[in-house]
Amino acid sequence: EVQLVESGGGLVKPGGSLRLSCAASGFTFSNAWMSWVRQAPGKGLEWVGRIKTKTDGGTTDFAAPVKGRFTISRDDSKNTLFLQMNSLTTEDTAVYYCTGHRGIINLFDYWGQGTLVTVSS
Amino acid sequence: DIQMTQSPSTLSASVGDRVTITCRASQSVSGWLAWYQQKPGKAPKLLIYKASSLESGVPSRFSGSGSGTEFTLTISSLQPDDFATYYCQQYHTYLTFGPGTKVDIK
Repeated sequence: EVQLVESGGGLVKPGGSLRLSCAASGFTFSNAWMSWVRQAPGKGLEWVGRIKTKTDGGTTDFAAPVKGRFTISRDDSKNTLFLQMNSLTTEDTAVYYCTGHRGIINLFDYWGQGTLVTVSS
Repeated sequence: DIQMTQSPSTLSASVGDRVTITCRASQSVSGWLAWYQQKPGKAPKLLIYKASSLESGVPSRFSGSGSGTEFTLTISSLQPDDFATYYCQQYHTYLTFGPGTKVDIK
């Protein structure tokens, strides 16, 4: 059974940093493109960023609102995905979902349960 | 960037109703369009991909159609488990979600 379990969410002050983790199991993590998708309270879904497999270059792409502030990395030896968030603003308050792509297309087969990040003073 | 819109934003319906949700893209996405269902407090679930392909395990009362810039999701006979919010997503160029359509009880 595929499982994605996010952790690391919490309350952080504006301007602060937070690192989210996503532990993956039930599939070959090293072969999977992975993304983070967020959802602000009462709002819709917003793609945050993506990391390809090391075989595909391990490159990352980000949505405009987070480019330059967020980074994504992966530790294939530990089947874990990370989202490093810096210079946080109240606009970053959301539930953050870890997602697994279907092959090399931007379609999401797997979703975690989400972790809430609240940016507030 | 490709922008997605959905209509209506909210839809009130009864069990047994035929429900149709429309999704429009700001430019052609060919058939690279997916539909997800999300229930409160839960992660989204993939229903339809490539505009009209039903994901494994999804009931056949769900169907998708369209290409280019206009797409529809149809639920042929609404069931109690179907009250949820539905999102379209293009994956032609990077990816963008629509704003969602909430289907609630009339």
